[in-house]
Amino acid sequence: QVQLVESGGGVVQPGGSLRLSCAASGFTFSHYGMHWVRQAPGNGLEWVAVISYDGNNKYYADSVKGRVSISRDDPKDTLFLQMNNLRPEDTAVYYCAKSGLNWGSSEWYFDVWGRGTLVSVSS
Amino acid sequence: AIRMTQSPSSFSSSTGDRVTITCRASQDVTYYLAWYQQKPGTAPKLLVYAASTLQDGVPSRFSGSGSGTEFTLTIDNLQSEDFATYYCQQYYFNPPTFGGGTKVEIK
Repeated sequence: QVQLVESGGGVVQPGGSLRLSCAASGFTFSHYGMHWVRQAPGNGLEWVAVISYDGNNKYYADSVKGRVSISRDDPKDTLFLQMNNLRPEDTAVYYCAKSGLNWGSSEWYFDVWGRGTLVSVSS
Repeated sequence: AIRMTQSPSSFSSSTGDRVTITCRASQDVTYYLAWYQQKPGTAPKLLVYAASTLQDGVPSRFSGSGSGTEFTLTIDNLQSEDFATYYCQQYYFNPPTFGGGTKVEIK
């Protein structure tokens, strides 16, 4: 069964840091690009970042560029999102999502999603 | 970034109805368009990709159409489990962007 399970969310003060994790199972993790997508409370979906299947390419939304870093540990089938200098507007549920196509495809639609982890930035 | 506009933002419908949701892109995204369903407190679920290809396991009452800048998601014979919020997403341009969502409520 293909599954993604996020962890690491919590309450943090503005300017603080968090590291989100996403444990993957049921598919060959190293063959797929992986993404983070977030959803602020009561709002729509916003793509945050992607890492290619081989880890060589990373792209970020302008709203988080310079403050977040995406990485992966293929032997452990785990995706990460390091978030620094957090702002109140970063408050959201953060979802880990799998690219629908494998290898180097740039067709970034998302066929598997985790249940999400809530990040709350507040003083 | 490409702006995706969905209409309507919400509406009420009854089981058995045929419903259509529209998504417009601010630029031509060819057929690189996906649709997702989201129920409260849960993650989005992929319904359609490449504008009209149904994801495995999605009921055939769902269908997608369109290309370029205008797309539609149609649900035939609306079922109780279909009451949810639906999002479109373009993936022709980086960054991928989503529409604001269409909430389908029970009449």
